[in-house]
Amino acid sequence: DAGVTQSPTHLIKTRGQQVTLRCSPKSGHDTVSWYQQALGQGPQFIFQYYEEEERQRGNFPDRFSGHQFPNYSSELNVNALLLGDSALYLCASSLGGGSGNTIYFGEGSWLTVV
Amino acid sequence: GDSVTQMEGPVTLSEEAFLTINCTYTATGYPSLFWYVQYPGEGLQLLLKATKADDKGSNKGFEATYRKETTSFHLEKGSVQVSDSAVYFCALRTALSYNTDKLIFGTGTRLQVFP
Repeated sequence: DAGVTQSPTHLIKTRGQQVTLRCSPKSGHDTVSWYQQALGQGPQFIFQYYEEEERQRGNFPDRFSGHQFPNYSSELNVNALLLGDSALYLCASSLGGGSGNTIYFGEGSWLTVV
Repeated sequence: GDSVTQMEGPVTLSEEAFLTINCTYTATGYPSLFWYVQYPGEGLQLLLKATKADDKGSNKGFEATYRKETTSFHLEKGSVQVSDSAVYFCALRTALSYNTDKLIFGTGTRLQVFP
């Protein structure tokens, strides 16, 4: 049973560029959330997708956007990259948004903006 | 708003020592509480959880009790091993609306165990 898988694992971008990160949820899960973890900090909630809709959003600018596909996989897009966007981006999945079921995390995508 | 406060690290211990990592929270309602562990270069792994007051979560020798009266969820282990060296995150899960929720994390506590 595959867990939450993310790609790419590492990438380097230049300021002003755009990046797309991808996530496949754990088998059977329909809810995907994205978190940003800056170095030395705890993860911060970006947004959550359920039934292909953004259900809730954290305190992140509109440069951060996402999408959920019919197979429940998800993408995180960040436009106009800033140096401060350098972080580990974690995808998390669960069954039934808000149901209280266990949330599982992927290994993350390390983004470095230079 | 809801928040989690953890003791700052690093916590440095010798193998077989007793571990306590303090965690307190502020929340409206009745959140679920979690401890996640992050090994170097890896993502987050759920270590244990508790969903209501007085519940005790346990896994791999680690324990934590949901104390509503002190709003705490301290992590303990009786005898740590070198392999326990990692960053530990306390988190609460809060319902944002009927069908969505999120985790709020503390800043993490680094544990270093030496032989």
